[in-house]
Amino acid sequence: NAGVTQTPKFQVLKTGQSMTLQCAQDMNHEYMSWYRQDPGMGLRLIHYSVGAGITDQGEVPNGYNVSRSTTEDFPLRLLSAAPSQTSVYFCASSYSGTINNEQFFGPGTRLTVL
Amino acid sequence: AQSVAQPEDQVNVAEGNPLTVKCTYSVSGNPYLFWYVQYPNRGLQFLLKYITGDNLVKGSYGFEAEFNKSQTSFHLKKPSALVSDSALYFCAVRDGDNYGQNFVFGPGTRLSVLP
Repeated sequence: NAGVTQTPKFQVLKTGQSMTLQCAQDMNHEYMSWYRQDPGMGLRLIHYSVGAGITDQGEVPNGYNVSRSTTEDFPLRLLSAAPSQTSVYFCASSYSGTINNEQFFGPGTRLTVL
Repeated sequence: AQSVAQPEDQVNVAEGNPLTVKCTYSVSGNPYLFWYVQYPNRGLQFLLKYITGDNLVKGSYGFEAEFNKSQTSFHLKKPSALVSDSALYFCAVRDGDNYGQNFVFGPGTRLSVLP
């Protein structure tokens, strides 16, 4: 199993540009989520999905869109990049059958917005 | 609302000494508690979790954590630290009585084990 994969590893954008961060998992997990990690703030939830076709907002959803057309893929779209979106982005997945399951994390995407 | 506090930004310990990384939480229902470790330029890795049962939970790489309901704490411990334990550690909580609640992570504690 490859686990949770993310592409790209690094990205530099100019203000106003759009892009999509890719996330895929091969563990047949129903629950997937996107976090951003900023120094001293831990991980903050952006969006999450409990299954294909179902998405919902997390703590900091503004400026981001998601979709979940398949169980495997959960892309995160930045609509119009802003310097405040400079961060490290992590995708995670877990079994959703019970609430006590831990999450598996991807290696992250380091995004810089100039 | 759920919250997690990790009162120490940084913990320094000598190799071979015991280590403790502190975590306190707030949740309205039953707490489901997790510890993750992050090595440089890597994603988070699961260490251990408390769901129910014995208050002392054992996890990966010799780590353990003690759940204390009265103090709302879930401190991470290891009897003898290794230099390779140096990393960023995150505590997380989920409300076990509310399936709709997501994970909430603490700000992280950087552990440095000195040779």
